[in-house]
Amino acid sequence: QITLTQQAESLWISPGERVSITCRASQSLLYTDGKHYLSWYQQRPGQTTKALIYHASVRTDGVPTRFIGSGSGTEFTLSIEHVQPEDFAIYYCLQTLKSPYTFGAGTKLELK
Amino acid sequence: EVQLVESGGGLVQPGRSLKLSCAASGFTFSNYYMAWVRQAPKKGLEWVATISTSGSRTYYPDSVKGRFTISRDNAKSSLYLQMNSLKSEDTATYYCARPRRGIAAIWYFDYWGQGVMVTVSS
Repeated sequence: QITLTQQAESLWISPGERVSITCRASQSLLYTDGKHYLSWYQQRPGQTTKALIYHASVRTDGVPTRFIGSGSGTEFTLSIEHVQPEDFAIYYCLQTLKSPYTFGAGTKLELK
Repeated sequence: EVQLVESGGGLVQPGRSLKLSCAASGFTFSNYYMAWVRQAPKKGLEWVATISTSGSRTYYPDSVKGRFTISRDNAKSSLYLQMNSLKSEDTATYYCARPRRGIAAIWYFDYWGQGVMVTVSS
């Protein structure tokens, strides 16, 4: 199965800063249609899990432009520019290229 | 507004069974694949099962294959997860999720429920 590694368990940042969360896959997530099957999710206490990015770089409806997905092949990054108080949460990457679909272990953004 | 509301969780002994339900609203349920994802306490997310629009095709990871069965009732806009031979490692919050997919594959899970807790313990 494809393993997704989010090396940082936690990242401590201050509001207004820029942060990057990385996700490394054990094999390429590029499909024959030219798209990467890598998506990003946000989990906040008391709220439903929210999809932020799919196909590595496409924002879902309503997601603020400060959330930026990038990367290709096996290396992917979720960047958040000018972090807002509501962005302190846990972020997960997910691959849906091959079954079993697998998630990264998660990266928690914490207030410095 | 899309809503997914899970129910049926609780405390169950190892080896016993439990059936979860997910009531969907705000979209044409029969047009969408559906899925279950779980999260053990203080742990990450794990995909558990996916079902096609008609229910004719189902998919599972090895960790639950042969023990869990996903099903749906399109007339009731409801999704189910029958869990048999439960183990302590099945203890988790179980989320109903809606996959958004293209022709060949699932792109991502665009809506999630709040989740229901299942505790497997004697």
